[in-house]
Order: sequence, then C-alpha cells, then structure tokens
Amino acid sequence: DQQVKQNSPSLSVQEGRISILNCDYTNSMFDYFLWYKKYPAEGPTFLISISSIKDKNEDGRFTVFLNKSAKHLSLHIVPSQPGDSAVYFCAALQETSGSRLTFGEGTQLTVNP
Amino acid sequence: ETGVTQSPTHLIKTRGQQVTLRCSSQSGHNTVSWYQQALGQGPQFIFQYYREEENGRGNFPPRFSGLQFPNYSSELNVNALELDDSALYLCASSSKGFGRGETQYFGPGTRLLVL
Repeated sequence: DQQVKQNSPSLSVQEGRISILNCDYTNSMFDYFLWYKKYPAEGPTFLISISSIKDKNEDGRFTVFLNKSAKHLSLHIVPSQPGDSAVYFCAALQETSGSRLTFGEGTQLTVNP
Repeated sequence: ETGVTQSPTHLIKTRGQQVTLRCSSQSGHNTVSWYQQALGQGPQFIFQYYREEENGRGNFPPRFSGLQFPNYSSELNVNALELDDSALYLCASSSKGFGRGETQYFGPGTRLLVL
C-alpha cells in the first residue's frame, strides 16, 4: 500500500530553468508534507514543508504547492542550479502517528550546466 | 552542535546472523526513528523511540528490535538476517515526540549487505 508516490524516477533540466517535482498521496489524514534532498553517501536533508491547511509555502528558490482535492503536491525550484542535482523525496506525516514519515520512492534530479 | 552519526558505515553479514547498528542523536534531541531504504526505494519507517520507549512501529517483523539509551543514542538490532534485509539503514533524530511537522535530522546511514 504505497500511500505516497513519486511517479517520475528521474528529471533532467538546464541550469537556470525551473525544476518541477511531483508527488501524489492517497491518505487524506496526512497533516504535513515535507521534501527532502539526498546526495550519495549522505542522509536525507530537510528542504521545505507545508501544512495540510496551506496551499503554498515558499523558501528562497524553493516553493511547495499543495492541491488537497487532487491529493497532489509539487516542489518548484527556480532557478535550478547544478548543485541541486540530487534525489528528492516527498514525505508525509500524520500527527496522530507521531513523527513517523511516509516517503515516496524519490526522483533523481539532474541539473545540466 | 553535532549532527546525527551512525556506525558502522558499511557492514557485510551472512544469512542467519545478527547485526547491531548504532546511532547518536543530534544534541538536544530526545526522539529517534529508524528507517530502511532498499535500493531504488524511499525510506520505510521501522520504529521510533521517545525518551527510551518505543513510540510507534512500522510493518517490520519482531526480529527487528531497538533500544534507546538515557543519552538518547539508539541501537537497531536485526536477528536471523535474510537476504532482503540488505539495505541502507537510516537513523533520524528530532526534538519532539510527536508530529507538527518538526524537522527530522538524518544520519548518513549504515549500508548492510547480507550474503
């Protein structure tokens, strides 16, 4: 039962352009959604989060959009930089389940110079 | 402020053996979660410890067990290893026992290979 899905295993964009990473979920009880970035040989690093009562959260070059009716969220990176090349994981949590994170499969983002 | 550390970084075991993985939480954090990340997959929640007590468990068999110590460091023990246990094991610490979207800080992981 995959409650969080990232359907694109990989994404390639040019430096300076926008990167859009997508995530779908099935559990309407999720309270928060988070994005993590992972470089090889390192643990996931928190990037940005959004509460289920919001539809947008912005932090510098990173913006997360949440569409609750579609059970869909997306991460926009503008402008993309070569250092953004990493695996991006979408994750969700339900407050009644503590801080247990449910992750998607990840999307490998490659930003070409 | 020190980050989350895990040991060892790599480990090779044979089927049927037992393994213990260790995690030191970030300073000031009282909650530790363990995740298993198989190749090509996202991390899967194993269990969480809050103030030395198990505080939630994912869909893993009882041969996966854990401990949290008074200094909030933690161990993950896996008995009777199976080939499918080969994965990256991640430890994450946070400062609260329950949700509200607080950030979890991950260690670099331990890569376990079961032959």
